[in-house]
Amino acid sequence: LAKTTQPISMDSYEGQEVNITCSHNNIATNDYITWYQQFPSQGPRFIIQGYKTKVTNEVASLFIPADRKSSTLSLPRVSLSDTAVYYCLVSLMDNNDMRFGAGTRLTVKP
Amino acid sequence: DAGVIQSPRHEVTEMGQEVTLRCKPISGHNSLFWYRQTMMRGLELLIYFNNNVPIDDSGMPEDRFSAKMPNASFSTLKIQPSEPRDSAVYFCASSLALWGSTDTQYFGPGTRLTVL
Repeated sequence: LAKTTQPISMDSYEGQEVNITCSHNNIATNDYITWYQQFPSQGPRFIIQGYKTKVTNEVASLFIPADRKSSTLSLPRVSLSDTAVYYCLVSLMDNNDMRFGAGTRLTVKP
Repeated sequence: DAGVIQSPRHEVTEMGQEVTLRCKPISGHNSLFWYRQTMMRGLELLIYFNNNVPIDDSGMPEDRFSAKMPNASFSTLKIQPSEPRDSAVYFCASSLALWGSTDTQYFGPGTRLTVL
């Protein structure tokens, strides 16, 4: 089973780019990586999903290198409201297994 | 759409009592997931359903936990008897996916359970 590892916490300042990396060994070429954001007292909310190379939407980018042993969530120009916990989820197509990482608590400072 | 609806939002009970958590998924969604979140263990998948059928219940802690989905618009998670270590926030999520676990999941607001 894929073990999903993320840094416990990160600090940043407003306007900076933040990159959060998730390590996930032993995933197949068609397994998906999804990132969720969670604010206190709320359920996680979808940010972005992909399974290869690079995906970009209006809020973030997801980079997946060729070896697929990690993936990186990139948040451009963060603001105070981006302070939250960010979860990496690996979904394995072969057996429908899913593993959330432990979450990375991002604190954006003024 | 109102999103995923969970009830109750908060539940306080005493050890040994039965607890039933309820979830109404987003209309038209075919998959439903139950999660438990604690500080120590993070987000844990308990069970998920595709088209009302339980697909993977390997995350259900023990026989005290059971989940049902009698129809496409309703699911329950029951704990009987409850224990203090069951105290956590329980989330329900749903997704469009007809099969599998890769589709975007929409989470409910959660039920905060406290077992005294």
